[in-house]
Amino acid sequence: NAGVMQNPRHLVRRRGQEARLRCSPMKGHSHVYWYRQLPEEGLKFMVYLQKENIIDESGMPKERFSAEFPKEGPSILRIQQVVRGDSAAYFCASSPVAGGGHEQYFGPGTRLTVT
Amino acid sequence: AQRVTQPEKLLSVFKGAPVELKCNYSYSGSPELFWYVQYSRQRLQLLLRHISRESIKGFTADLNKGETSFHLKKPFAQEEDSAMYYCALTLLNAGGTSYGKLTFGQGTILTVHP
Repeated sequence: NAGVMQNPRHLVRRRGQEARLRCSPMKGHSHVYWYRQLPEEGLKFMVYLQKENIIDESGMPKERFSAEFPKEGPSILRIQQVVRGDSAAYFCASSPVAGGGHEQYFGPGTRLTVT
Repeated sequence: AQRVTQPEKLLSVFKGAPVELKCNYSYSGSPELFWYVQYSRQRLQLLLRHISRESIKGFTADLNKGETSFHLKKPFAQEEDSAMYYCALTLLNAGGTSYGKLTFGQGTILTVHP
């Protein structure tokens, strides 16, 4: 099992462009979580998805950010019209089920730089 | 809203010395507490969680609901313990299952000197 995969590992975008971050969960995992880590801060929850459903998006900015986890293929975090403040490390995690004590397995992260 | 505080950004000890990484949380309900660790050039991974009451790599952590703390301790630190440590919590609903998302502290960088 290759673990949670994220690509690209590094992404550079100019202000106003779109950023698409991909996350492939571990085999057999149907729950995906996205976290953002701004410089000098801890990880902050963004969104929790199951296949084809958004379960909790309480941490997502109201504008420009969206996430999906289709029936087939990876989960995608999409940031439209990026701004410098979007520069951060974005981590994806997966778990086999939600609920009491199930470990979340983290990917290596995507480092987004907005110039 | 729930909050996790790690008051020490940096912690340095010498090999063989005891180490304690502090974690306090604020939440009035039933949280589940975790410690995650990130070694150099590796991904974030679970170290231990309070419900399992395990000792992993010599580390232990006891949930103190009165003090709302979940400090991580090891009696004799090793150089390979040098890493970034995150305390995190997830909320449990009335049925005892997690809402899923983790709330992280800011992290503590532990350096163990030879």
